[in-house]
Amino acid sequence: EVQLVESGGGLVQPGGSLRLSCAASGFTFNSYWMYWVRQAPGKGLVWVSRINTDGSSTRHADPVKGRFTISRDNAKDTLYLQMNSLRAEDTAVYYCVRVEAKVGASEIDAFDIWGQGTMVTVSS
Amino acid sequence: DIQMTQSPSSLSASVGDRVTITCRASQSIGNYLNWYQQKPGKAPKLLIYAASSLQSGVPSRFSGSGSGTDFTLTISSLQPEDFATYYCQQTYITPPTFGQGTKVEIK
Repeated sequence: EVQLVESGGGLVQPGGSLRLSCAASGFTFNSYWMYWVRQAPGKGLVWVSRINTDGSSTRHADPVKGRFTISRDNAKDTLYLQMNSLRAEDTAVYYCVRVEAKVGASEIDAFDIWGQGTMVTVSS
Repeated sequence: DIQMTQSPSSLSASVGDRVTITCRASQSIGNYLNWYQQKPGKAPKLLIYAASSLQSGVPSRFSGSGSGTDFTLTISSLQPEDFATYYCQQTYITPPTFGQGTKVEIK
């Protein structure tokens, strides 16, 4: 079964750090770009970070740039998100997402497999 | 960033109704448009990719259309399990951006 399982969320004080992990199974992890997407309570979906197949290229959304770092360990089939200098506005469910390049008339990225999410709460 | 605007933000419908949700992009995105369904407390699920292609395992009552800036998700006959929030997403340009969501509620 194709699966993504996140862990590492929890309650942290403003200015603190957390590292999220996402364990992949059931597919060839090192063949896929991976993303983190977050959803604040009662709000919509927002892209956070993405990484290419071998980890050589990463990109982060402006609100987290310089504070969050995405990485991956293909030997362990695991994706990470290191979150530093956390703020109240980072409070959200964080989803690990596999992106598949759907091949048709053009190649289109689709977020086809999502983890169950892990809740991060930043509060004093 | 490309802005995605969905309408309506919410709607009430009955089982068996035909439901249409629209999504407009702030610039042309070709057919780089995906649709997701999210139920409370659950992760989103991919329904439609490339504007009109049905993801494997998704019921055929779901369909998508459009290109350029205007897109539509249609549920031909609403079922009880379809009550959820639906999001459109563009993957034409990084960052990939989502619409604000359309909540489909029971009438």
